[in-house]
Parts: sequence; C-alpha cells; structure tokens
Amino acid sequence: GEDVEQSLFLSVREGDSSVINCTYTDSSSTYLYWYKQEPGAGLQLLTYIFSNMDMKQDQRLTVLLNKKDKHLSLRIADTQTGDSAIYFCAEASFNKFYFGSGTKLNVKP
Amino acid sequence: DTEVTQTPKHLVMGMTNKKSLKCEQHMGHRAMYWYKQKAKKPPELMFVYSYEKLSINESVPSRFSPECPNSSLLNLHLHALQPEDSALYLCASSHEGRPADEQFFGPGTRLTVL
Repeated sequence: GEDVEQSLFLSVREGDSSVINCTYTDSSSTYLYWYKQEPGAGLQLLTYIFSNMDMKQDQRLTVLLNKKDKHLSLRIADTQTGDSAIYFCAEASFNKFYFGSGTKLNVKP
Repeated sequence: DTEVTQTPKHLVMGMTNKKSLKCEQHMGHRAMYWYKQKAKKPPELMFVYSYEKLSINESVPSRFSPECPNSSLLNLHLHALQPEDSALYLCASSHEGRPADEQFFGPGTRLTVL
C-alpha cells in the first residue's frame, strides 16, 4: 500500500477537462480517495470510490477505477482557475491511509 | 462546526526545546490523526487515536509524543527534534476511523527546527 504513484504536473486551459491519474499497488485496498490541497492549507476530500465500483460521478468530478490494472483517475470537467492545486490520490485499508506523490494542476486562463 | 483547528500556525524551535502542537475538533469525531508533510511530498501518517486510545504508531521516533486528553483534543509533544523534522504537521479527525469515514484536515502547523 505504500507505492501510490501519480504524475507530478498537469497544465490545462480554463474550460478544458483535466484528467489526473494514479496507480496503486495494494489490491486489498477497500477505498480510494482524491484529496485537494491548496497552497498553505490542509487537505480537502473531493470524492472517494469503493473498490467494487468502476465509476463515480459527482457534479464536475468523475472517478474511474480499473481494479485489474490498479489504476484510478479523476476527471474534472470545465476546469476553472480555482481548481489549481495539488491533487492527491490515497488508498485505504482499515484506517491506514497511503497518499500518492501528488499532481500539481495548473489552470491557465 | 465542521472545522479542525490547529495551533500554532507556525513554530520555530531549537533542537533542545520542548514544545507542543495542539489540535481540536468539536464534530464529535472519535478518531484523530497526526500526519507529517514535507515540502512537495504527500502527507505521511504518524499516529492514529481511536476513542482516545493510540491505535496506530507508524514507527515514529520517541522525540514525538502524542497525547489525547479527551475526545476533542489531540496534542503532539516535541522534544529534542532534528532539523530534518521541519515540516507541515497536519491533524485530521474522522467519525470513527473506518476507511469510508471522511477525514477532516486542519490547516497544519508549519514547524521549523533550527
């Protein structure tokens, strides 16, 4: 559960869709999460998906889970400048959390 | 009140000092967490308290000593720290510490050890 990987940077234009990817290693993970961290702030939970689901949609956010490939993605539709932040995926089993390295999303006006 | 508060916001200490970080929540949560986050790195779990008992210690050095005086408060006592301990220390709480329970994070204490 400790090798959760993400690409470090993503740059998109305002109004485009953003897709942030994550791979994890622990097949026993029961929940997978996406957190957002703005500069100087703590983490904000955006959404989570249970491991027996393939997809979850919540307003502008769509989470896709490919359990076979241990691949998780977060799609943000109509990305806004306020979405600029670092996005962490995390996997959990019991009450242990392992965070990915974080993807810095830069949204250009 | 859906907030986790942490004090102080910033702390500078020498290697011989003793200081404490404080965390408070009034959401009735029974699980509380300490994380350490180095610059440009993900948070790393340090400790978990569940129902005021220490349930997880991620092999943290003894110079960090957690304390949970009651269900609303979580402290982290610091003694004889090293410069490499400089980091953002994040506190979080959740309803009962189950995987599906959302963790609410505080804004963190930025610690610098000289």
